[in-house]
Amino acid sequence: AQKVTQAQTEISVVEKEDVTLDCVYETRDTTYYLFWYKQPPSGELVFLIRRNSFDEQNEISGRYSWNFQKSTSSFNFTITASQVVDSAVYFCALMKPGGYNKLIFGAGTRLAVHP
Amino acid sequence: EAQVTQNPRYLITVTGKKLTVTCSQNMNHEYMSWYRQDPGLGLRQIYYSMNVEVTDKGDVPEGYKVSRKEKRNFPLILESPSPNQTSLYFCASSPIAGGTDTQYFGPGTRLTVL
Repeated sequence: AQKVTQAQTEISVVEKEDVTLDCVYETRDTTYYLFWYKQPPSGELVFLIRRNSFDEQNEISGRYSWNFQKSTSSFNFTITASQVVDSAVYFCALMKPGGYNKLIFGAGTRLAVHP
Repeated sequence: EAQVTQNPRYLITVTGKKLTVTCSQNMNHEYMSWYRQDPGLGLRQIYYSMNVEVTDKGDVPEGYKVSRKEKRNFPLILESPSPNQTSLYFCASSPIAGGTDTQYFGPGTRLTVL
């Protein structure tokens, strides 16, 4: 069975702190895709990143970076120098090819960045 | 502008009163799906559609119906809503059914069933 666990329900930081959101997944498939989505207070889902299981290179996009480690089945997300605008719920999700495009989501982590 | 639209965005209704939430995409995507978001559970798939007239159940289909008569539209129907269907609903689409393309989500519909 496939499963995504985001153990951190809520995280509170002060602006400019670095913060890491954890994501641990379970799957028996050798080929799969991992995603992160952001849900700001306005409620929409914003796509952040997609990573396939064969690409373990870390990725950096501005203040955002992602660490994918197959050995620990983790796909963690780090925000460097957090800002108030980063306050949102963040979802990690898993998809397997041929699985009818279904995304398996974690429960989400609510990040509050305070001035 | 390429987008997925949902209507209504907010809806308060009473138990048993049939309702439809519409979803439309203007990207000519083959694949569309519905998810519901509940606290502590993340998003779970309700139904999906691989193409026109092809629909199938997701993980939590009970109490819902869908139809796909046109490629761009994928309405979610609650024939007899109950309070446990109070949730935030998202429609999503992606270019190719069976592929691994990124899904694009609509803005969400917040439904309250009293």
